[in-house]
Amino acid sequence: DVKVTQSSRYLVKRTGEKVFLECVQDMDHENMFWYRQDPGLGLRLIYFSYDVKMKEKGDIPEGYSVSREKKERFSLILESASTNQTSMYLCASSLHGQGYEQYFGPGTRLTVT
Amino acid sequence: KQEVTQIPAALSVPEGENLVLNCSFTDSAIYNLQWFRQDPGKGLTSLLLIQSSQREQTSGRLNASLDKSSGRSTLYIAASQPGDSATYLCAVRASGTYKYIFGTGTRLKVLA
Repeated sequence: DVKVTQSSRYLVKRTGEKVFLECVQDMDHENMFWYRQDPGLGLRLIYFSYDVKMKEKGDIPEGYSVSREKKERFSLILESASTNQTSMYLCASSLHGQGYEQYFGPGTRLTVT
Repeated sequence: KQEVTQIPAALSVPEGENLVLNCSFTDSAIYNLQWFRQDPGKGLTSLLLIQSSQREQTSGRLNASLDKSSGRSTLYIAASQPGDSATYLCAVRASGTYKYIFGTGTRLKVLA
């Protein structure tokens, strides 16, 4: 069974703090994704990575950066957290080929006060 | 630009009913379409994946169809149960990209 884990289920941070969200998958997937989910807006792609040290911006990368130093781990970094980054953050992974499905982690509910 | 729409946004049905959830997309150049289930406050659970060359996929009481030419997919749930209550999302992977575009989901409530 594919397992995608996220470092925290709930996180509360203060405005201006640097925040790290970690995601680990155990199935040797090449692709990893970070989304945020907000009511009425659905899932929006922040960044994705198709290989170690490779990354591409998604639809809403502003205010975020990512790091992928090892194949199994993909980190999302909020350089200076702001209240409009309060959201549910979801990590996903998949194999490279076009026919493969995405697997999601349990999500991290981040609140920035 | 690919857009994915799910109608209705919410649906309430009595237990035992068969029901259909709809997903529409604007660009037929896709690799695949995936249906997910999301329980409140949780991550997404993959239900079915349909490749662009397939017409349908089945898993238990679930059947998903794909009509690429008309830009539509349906998720059919047979003999609905209260445990099916959740939000159902569809996502398409556009050809030539790693990206998936999601609909905003249909919130289903099955009444006992």
